[in-house]
Amino acid sequence: EPEVTQTPSHQVTQMGQEVILRCVPISNHLYFYWYRQILGQKVEFLVSFYNNEISEKSEIFDDQFSVERPDGSNFTLKIRSTKLEDSAMYFCASRGTASNQPQHFGDGTRLSIL
Amino acid sequence: SQQGEEDPQALSIQEGENATMNCSYKTSINNLQWYRQNSGRGLVHLILIRSNEREKHSGRLRVTLDTSKKSSSLLITASRAADTASYFCATDALDNFNKFYFGSGTKLNVKP
Repeated sequence: EPEVTQTPSHQVTQMGQEVILRCVPISNHLYFYWYRQILGQKVEFLVSFYNNEISEKSEIFDDQFSVERPDGSNFTLKIRSTKLEDSAMYFCASRGTASNQPQHFGDGTRLSIL
Repeated sequence: SQQGEEDPQALSIQEGENATMNCSYKTSINNLQWYRQNSGRGLVHLILIRSNEREKHSGRLRVTLDTSKKSSSLLITASRAADTASYFCATDALDNFNKFYFGSGTKLNVKP
């Protein structure tokens, strides 16, 4: 069964540095998402992406964050000038075209800011 | 806020028993989905139920949806130790199916 894959599985970065989290969505999916889960807390929506542009974003997704689909397969989340509170699991998800199709999630990237 | 909330927050049962988890949400939806998350792993999709459906089954899973009460339940029958995980409901919004809200989850522990 096709899967969403995320790399790296664990990223350790110094505060203030930039990180790029990578995702390869399921190949025929057209909607892409990033979520964040701080340890012990709920999964929080960050952003959705369709047709090469952001379709929705949450209050968390401020100017520090950006997303990109640099080629036909990758979907990236860039976090500039990282802060300690950015430490979390970051999940990528993708979905097919119909609104009643589920999102499929990757296993996440654990981001640790030191 | 649309965010769903599950209850109970934690549930501990013996293998073979049934487990019921509930989810409530605040505004009208298109779909409600249930996900499972094993510790330190990603979210695994279990069932999607549309707003015009009242019940759905998948193997040992049974999901109900009551849009008048804005609530859903997930029943796992004949539970197994391997069902130990956190279970989350996720909802979209009627006017925006592209933004999803997760609840805080129910942590299920099935004792062998």
